[in-house]
Amino acid sequence: DAKTTQPPSMDCAEGRAANLPCNHSTISGNEYVYWYRQIHSQGPQYIIHGLKNNETNEMASLIITEDRKSSTLILPHATLRDTAVYYCIVRVFWMDSSYKLIFGSGTRLLVRP
Amino acid sequence: EPEVTQTPSHQVTQMGQEVILRCVPISNHLYFYWYRQILGQKVEFLVSFYNNEISEKSEIFDDQFSVERPDGSNFTLKIRSTKLEDSAMYFCASSIRTSGNNEQFFGPGTRLTVL
Repeated sequence: DAKTTQPPSMDCAEGRAANLPCNHSTISGNEYVYWYRQIHSQGPQYIIHGLKNNETNEMASLIITEDRKSSTLILPHATLRDTAVYYCIVRVFWMDSSYKLIFGSGTRLLVRP
Repeated sequence: EPEVTQTPSHQVTQMGQEVILRCVPISNHLYFYWYRQILGQKVEFLVSFYNNEISEKSEIFDDQFSVERPDGSNFTLKIRSTKLEDSAMYFCASSIRTSGNNEQFFGPGTRLTVL
């Protein structure tokens, strides 16, 4: 699986957009980009994933560059509850198969009041 | 909304004792996982389980560890003889067999403290 690089920490003001970057320059054609987050010591929580198109769901948007070597997770209106560690994970997705998640150190996002 | 549950939330044990951590995955999921997180460190994959057998395991998952799905709802992690370094948060996760998303849903974790 391709390695990812994320800044160790970021902060943003409550109500503003939080843009979390991830570099995955060695990504291969069949690897997806997944984002999870971990609030304090809770279990990791799935946010979003994508292959090459931009994706949006009720939690966030995922922007993947055309060359797929980097991506940005966008929380459009960050709240204090979004303070967490955010993990960018690149993984081959095989239909109907189990897969392990390899967590890096992630980005610790602090949302300021 | 369905969720993964884990019991107990906190387990304290003496070194050398056996512990069993329990998980109830989401009912229609077919893939099950255990991860652990030592305090202040990364979340680490331990094992994945499908169709009543281990599909993948990490180097951490040695002979002291075992997993079982004793019935249709529970998924357990057993540590036969705990060591101090087994102290960690243990997370269970499950995922569904589907043509769409295959995200893993995590439980709240069990904090294991080995004294």
